[in-house]
Amino acid sequence: DTAVSQTPKYLVTQMGNDKSIKCEQNLGHDTMYWYKQDSKKFLKIMFSYNNKELIINETVPNRFSPKSPDKAHLNLHINSLELGDSAVYFCASSQTTGSGNTIYFGEGSWLTVV
Amino acid sequence: TQLLEQSPQFLSIQEGENLTVYCNSSSVFSSLQWYRQEPGEGPVLLVTVVTGGEVKKLKRLTFQFGDARKDSSLHITAAQPGDTGLYLCAGAEGDKIIFGKGTRLHILP
Repeated sequence: DTAVSQTPKYLVTQMGNDKSIKCEQNLGHDTMYWYKQDSKKFLKIMFSYNNKELIINETVPNRFSPKSPDKAHLNLHINSLELGDSAVYFCASSQTTGSGNTIYFGEGSWLTVV
Repeated sequence: TQLLEQSPQFLSIQEGENLTVYCNSSSVFSSLQWYRQEPGEGPVLLVTVVTGGEVKKLKRLTFQFGDARKDSSLHITAAQPGDTGLYLCAGAEGDKIIFGKGTRLHILP
């Protein structure tokens, strides 16, 4: 059973399009995240939700809008895609927030904007 | 914002050799974690260290948390090709888990 699953795994799209990435976790965790990993493998947090409430929003452009319909799901919608949005986007979850929690990552969604 | 600096950025060594990679910060962390990421996959937790000076072993991997809880090291004994991957250290900054930029390790057979 996949603990954190995200779809699609690969996405190639043109500049200006709008796309969504879906994420679900079956671990019963309270906290979910979106991370972006660039071409240099730097993993940077974008958003974090705890029990459906947004708790972290790192200086991410307004074109990125997360939505958490329930605590098991955290989707990411991106408007007006730009070339610089090309990256691997990882969904993740943890039992709670803060120090010492294990973060469980999905396999990543590889977004290429052309 | 706390920063985690990892060194070296890249390391390529022969199978059977020993190596150490480092994670350093100017800030104190209540805990540090090490993750390994293999190509095409998400990072997976290897260990969490909590107490200053703590040493944890995971088979051929030895993790140490600095006495001042500002740094950590990962030592691999007799490296194997299966150890190849991106090693990331991570620490908590409030509710946020931040990651270092990683050490990309390649073990040559």
